[in-house]
Amino acid sequence: RKEVEQDPGPFNVPEGATVAFNCTYSNSASQSFFWYRQDCRKEPKLLMSVYSSGNEDGRFTAQLNRASQYISLLIRDSKLSDSATYLCVVPEGSARQLTFGSGTQLTVLP
Amino acid sequence: ETGVTQTPRHLVMGMTNKKSLKCEQHLGHNAMYWYKQSAKKPLELMFVYSLEERVENNSVPSRFSPECPNSSHLFLHLHTLQPEDSALYLCASSQVQGIGYEQYFGPGTRLTVT
Repeated sequence: RKEVEQDPGPFNVPEGATVAFNCTYSNSASQSFFWYRQDCRKEPKLLMSVYSSGNEDGRFTAQLNRASQYISLLIRDSKLSDSATYLCVVPEGSARQLTFGSGTQLTVLP
Repeated sequence: ETGVTQTPRHLVMGMTNKKSLKCEQHLGHNAMYWYKQSAKKPLELMFVYSLEERVENNSVPSRFSPECPNSSHLFLHLHTLQPEDSALYLCASSQVQGIGYEQYFGPGTRLTVT
């Protein structure tokens, strides 16, 4: 099993749609999780941190299921500006290291 | 300057050249990282400097050599690179404490080896 595995993309959705991404992880000891977004040819930027069962920030909701070892990201009322690659990130080994998933590409269509 | 800065933003070098990438963080963090991002591949952690300790990915070739003179500055020294080393090199920093250690990235150096 890969350390961090994400939904294969790409996701193409119309503006206003709700879209959800899933991510599974193998390190059962992980206590915190992150979603980053990365625009084309730019650096990853932190979108959300998840420390307990979930987190909500406006149109974005992240949920954590420790028993099944997966994290989800839900985007409601998609905007054109949400088009990006979304990276699931899980701590690995010592507290200093993060393992990045390969990313899920989202394109929101007008 | 705020956040994490990297220079140069773009670099083209021949296989016999020696160059260095520079990263500086203005966030007061205590850990810094180098990542490599090749096309269509996940970010690959290369080196970590945390609380003056260095951790490295054993798969990184010796032609990449990191240097961290203090908690705010990080360098990646490059020599005799190969064309497959062409990639986006990202620097990141974080504050390692408790369970929260979100990493913040610089804009990256896009390296092309000819």
